[in-house]
Amino acid sequence: EAGVAQSPRYKIIEKRQSVAFWCNPISGHATLYWYQQILGQGPKLLIQFQNNGVVDDSQLPKDRFSAERLKGVDSTLKIQPAKLEDSAVYLCASSPNRDRASGYTFGSGTRLTVV
Amino acid sequence: KQEVTQIPAALSVPEGENLVLNCSFTDSAIYNLQWFRQDPGKGLTSLLLIQSSQREQTSGRLNASLDKSSGRSTLYIAASQPGDSATYLCAVSRGVGTYKYIFGTGTRLKVLA
Repeated sequence: EAGVAQSPRYKIIEKRQSVAFWCNPISGHATLYWYQQILGQGPKLLIQFQNNGVVDDSQLPKDRFSAERLKGVDSTLKIQPAKLEDSAVYLCASSPNRDRASGYTFGSGTRLTVV
Repeated sequence: KQEVTQIPAALSVPEGENLVLNCSFTDSAIYNLQWFRQDPGKGLTSLLLIQSSQREQTSGRLNASLDKSSGRSTLYIAASQPGDSATYLCAVSRGVGTYKYIFGTGTRLKVLA
């Protein structure tokens, strides 16, 4: 079974630029999560999708972050404009549905450096 | 507001030792707790999931316990090996019936050969 795919693996941008991350969850997984992990901290949930609908985006900084999952499969997370404090690893995770933890799988993440 | 704390932040032990990692949380109204492992440059791997009605879960050399009333969980690793070297994270669900997690800051474990 293929895992959760994320790209790019690394990205370096200047502050005020924009950046987008892509996630392809495990086939058939209805629920998709984006987490932000700042160096030395645990991951923090940014947004949760159930199929192509948003379930929880209460911790997403909506003035600069946006995310979508148009066809209920792949998802993109965008930052515009980026700030220095956005430097982090952005992790995507998926699970069969939001009421089950079995099969909760993380991707390898995208490491973003804002200079 | 739920806060998750892990102690110690880092641990270095010789191979073969049994060890305990600790996790504490401030709000006992959790749905479940998971322990994850994170290797450098990689994502998280789920190790053990404990539902709120359970007291412990075991997988191989790993045993996790949960005491909701005291807001604590422990991860016990028996006969540690160099391959166990990684960061271990505990995470508690943000609310009833969900798997949206609040993570601790992790314990960095190094097992010396």
